[in-house]
Amino acid sequence: GQSLEQPSEVTAVEGAIVQINCTYQTSGFYGLSWYQQHDGGAPTFLSYNALDGLEETGRFSSFLSRSDSYGYLLLQELQMKDSASYFCAVPGGGSYIPTFGRGTSLIVHP
Amino acid sequence: DSGVTQTPKHLITATGQRVTLRCSPRSGDLSVYWYQQSLDQGLQFLIQYYNGEERAKGNILERFSAQQFPDLHSELNLSSLELGDSALYFCASSSTLADSYEQYFGPGTRLTVT
Repeated sequence: GQSLEQPSEVTAVEGAIVQINCTYQTSGFYGLSWYQQHDGGAPTFLSYNALDGLEETGRFSSFLSRSDSYGYLLLQELQMKDSASYFCAVPGGGSYIPTFGRGTSLIVHP
Repeated sequence: DSGVTQTPKHLITATGQRVTLRCSPRSGDLSVYWYQQSLDQGLQFLIQYYNGEERAKGNILERFSAQQFPDLHSELNLSSLELGDSALYFCASSSTLADSYEQYFGPGTRLTVT
């Protein structure tokens, strides 16, 4: 089977940096994706790491370590609008189905 | 706006009934995914279609079925509805099988079973 573990909640203040961790156990692994979902809204794709290392997209960065089965999403210069749930996910492929973590609720305080 | 459309936006029905949820993928996308999201839960993968063919199946109940039509839109049929089926149902699409790491989600259908 496949499972992804991430913290249920993270809080931070506006302007700060926050890191959301994700550890995974999968039989087959193609890479790690990250999605953002505001309350009641549709998940939106943020980033994808197929290889080890850091991928940067504006204020958001994502990191992957295949040897540690671990990744994280780094959000810099936090804004109130960043308050949302963040999901790590492994894409499907071959005999493996797409699998999402349970999500991390990020609360940004003024 | 992701380009993925879902109808209806809200659906309220009674136990034992049957409903159909509809999804149109982004223009050009061949792969469609269906997910269920219950309150405070993650996204549970139900089923995937690619160019009209079933590609992958998750923990989809036997009471649920889906199909993808020649014009690539997809429908998810839920029958003999139970209270526990109340959830947000999302459809997502990606251009190819290789792009499943980047899915575009529709706005969802909120199903309430009373």
